[in-house]
Amino acid sequence: QSALTQPRSVSGSPGQSVTISCTGTSSDVGAYKFVSWYQHHPGKAPKLIIKDVSWRLSGVPDRFSGSKSGNTASLTISGLHSEDEADYYCLSYVGNYAVVFGGGTKVTVL
Amino acid sequence: DVQLVESGGDLIKPGRSLRLSCTASGFTFGDYTMSWFRQAPGKGLEWVGFIRSTLYGGTTEYATSVKGRFTISRDDPKSIAYLEMNSLRTEDTAVYFCSRGLGNVLVAVFDYWGQGALVTVSS
Repeated sequence: QSALTQPRSVSGSPGQSVTISCTGTSSDVGAYKFVSWYQHHPGKAPKLIIKDVSWRLSGVPDRFSGSKSGNTASLTISGLHSEDEADYYCLSYVGNYAVVFGGGTKVTVL
Repeated sequence: DVQLVESGGDLIKPGRSLRLSCTASGFTFGDYTMSWFRQAPGKGLEWVGFIRSTLYGGTTEYATSVKGRFTISRDDPKSIAYLEMNSLRTEDTAVYFCSRGLGNVLVAVFDYWGQGALVTVSS
């Protein structure tokens, strides 16, 4: 199973919005509602921020939102904060009880 | 609070075996699927596999890249999940994370993670 496609990096100034895309196929992202997003500060434990495409976990700021259209899921950070600088990964169910990540996107707050 | 702590990471020669442990606390360990992931140096996250709760048979699923070489097991009374890695290759060098899975049969969301254990495979 190939990794889902994410941009390697996105950047924005504090307060700006950024969107990270996660493109798969009709056999993974397009086929299931099981897309989740993880925030990872290097050296720390990854953190689940969005599950089931758009369900934000308790305690996650509402500036984080998820959506999906066709074979592409997206994570939007509306109003960047400095602490949002991290790596972000999408994860999708791909059938046969397996999951696959996107390649990861580094978010830089300018 | 939910806590997951990986241990057992080491520098090991190619072809050898190594077992990682994931010690859990703060939740009823036996009720949950436990999963392993890894991140090679400079690379992204990769799913390794998971083990369902004993109530759902304690059955396992693995990524193609490790199937047949890696085995996940669990000791519910001790709240520990294990990752047994055999025939290690240099490309298995990575930080290995354990995580708690949500779901009993189809498991696609992982809500708590450990900080990882470094495994370096090198001669």
